[in-house]
Amino acid sequence: GDSVTQMEGPVTLSEEAFLTINCTYTATGYPSLFWYVQYPGEGLQLLLKATKADDKGSNKGFEATYRKETTSFHLEKGSVQVSDSAVYFCALVGGFKTIFGAGTRLFVKA
Amino acid sequence: DGGITQSPKYLFRKEGQNVTLSCEQNLNHDAMYWYRQDPGQGLRLIYYSQIVNDFQKGDIAEGYSVSREKKESFPLTVTSAQKNPTAFYLCASTDKSGQSNQPQHFGDGTRLSIL
Repeated sequence: GDSVTQMEGPVTLSEEAFLTINCTYTATGYPSLFWYVQYPGEGLQLLLKATKADDKGSNKGFEATYRKETTSFHLEKGSVQVSDSAVYFCALVGGFKTIFGAGTRLFVKA
Repeated sequence: DGGITQSPKYLFRKEGQNVTLSCEQNLNHDAMYWYRQDPGQGLRLIYYSQIVNDFQKGDIAEGYSVSREKKESFPLTVTSAQKNPTAFYLCASTDKSGQSNQPQHFGDGTRLSIL
């Protein structure tokens, strides 16, 4: 069945460092891909999405490119801030359900 | 503003007791979902509903029940048969169920603990 694999956390960075969180997927067909962010004690919020191969989703300085050849959708940000500390989830839509990765916790130090 | 409201934010259950978690949305979305999140883990699907008066089991439905009598409401009951109910419960909805480019919208969750 469909699945999503994310790099394990936690990831700890200093402010203004470059961020990459790896995400790879297994799916039949060409699913839409998503990144969600979860702040402490809250639900998930959509961060960005891409619906077809080579699409780049972007929002709030975060970017991810849908790579069909490598079945990947890595999240990147050029300069992280303390306020980016959260848990990040990669996801794909398969049929009527969304398949989530296990989440990657990011800590950003001032 | 449209959104999903989950209540209560914190809930405590005694042994042998059923408890019901509320989820209401005013987004006019067709599909609604319940997830369970354990510390340091991802989301596991409990139940989902694509239309009113219809719902399907997810991956971990045992010990839970749901109803979908109205489009805007999808309550989850955690029964006494669920032996390890302590978790963070998230409700979500999507527009145009079945279209693969639709993101999920989430409530702020209910944290359930055992007394």
